[in-house]
Amino acid sequence: GDSVTQKQGQVTLSEDDFLFINCTYSTTTYPTLLWYVQYLGQGPQLLLKVTTANNKGISRGFEATYDKGTTSFHLQKASVQESDSAVYFCALVDQDMGYKLTFGTGTSLLVDP
Amino acid sequence: ETAVFQTPNYHVTQVGNEVSFNCKQTLGHDTMYWYKQDSKKLLKIMFSYNNKQLIVNETVPRRFSPQSSDKAHLNLRIKSVEPEDSAVYLCASSRTGGYAEQFFGPGTRLTVL
Repeated sequence: GDSVTQKQGQVTLSEDDFLFINCTYSTTTYPTLLWYVQYLGQGPQLLLKVTTANNKGISRGFEATYDKGTTSFHLQKASVQESDSAVYFCALVDQDMGYKLTFGTGTSLLVDP
Repeated sequence: ETAVFQTPNYHVTQVGNEVSFNCKQTLGHDTMYWYKQDSKKLLKIMFSYNNKQLIVNETVPRRFSPQSSDKAHLNLRIKSVEPEDSAVYLCASSRTGGYAEQFFGPGTRLTVL
């Protein structure tokens, strides 16, 4: 079945640092790949989406590029702010299972002011 | 305000008790979901409902049951809670048909003593 791997459990940065969160996936179909962000006390919310049609998603200064060769979908931001502190989830849309979402284990980002 | 609403925010109970959580969405969606988020932030889908029909039912214990009165409401009942049921339960909704963004509520945190 489909799977998503996020190896970084926690990342700590200072403001204006560069952010890179690793995500790899495994699927037998053409993937729709998502990044969700969950702020403290809230539910996850969609940050950006990438499909094989557009290859790259950009939202709120975050960027993710889909790489079929390495089956990766990393999240980047050039300069993080304290307000970016949250948990970031990579997710894969399973088109063979009613478009259900398979989430990665999440990466907790803490940005020190 | 259009969003996904969940009640209660928190619930503490004893092993063996019955609990029920409410979810309402005012987004006009016709598919709703329940997710379980454990203490390690891992997100797992439990149920999804479309037009009062269960369309995805992951392997969850029988003591869990979703209950829907109309397409805007999807409640979750746990018949006899166990310690391992302690988690945050997240409700979400989306349009139906192909991939559609899922909008999450803030969650209900359950603690089983």
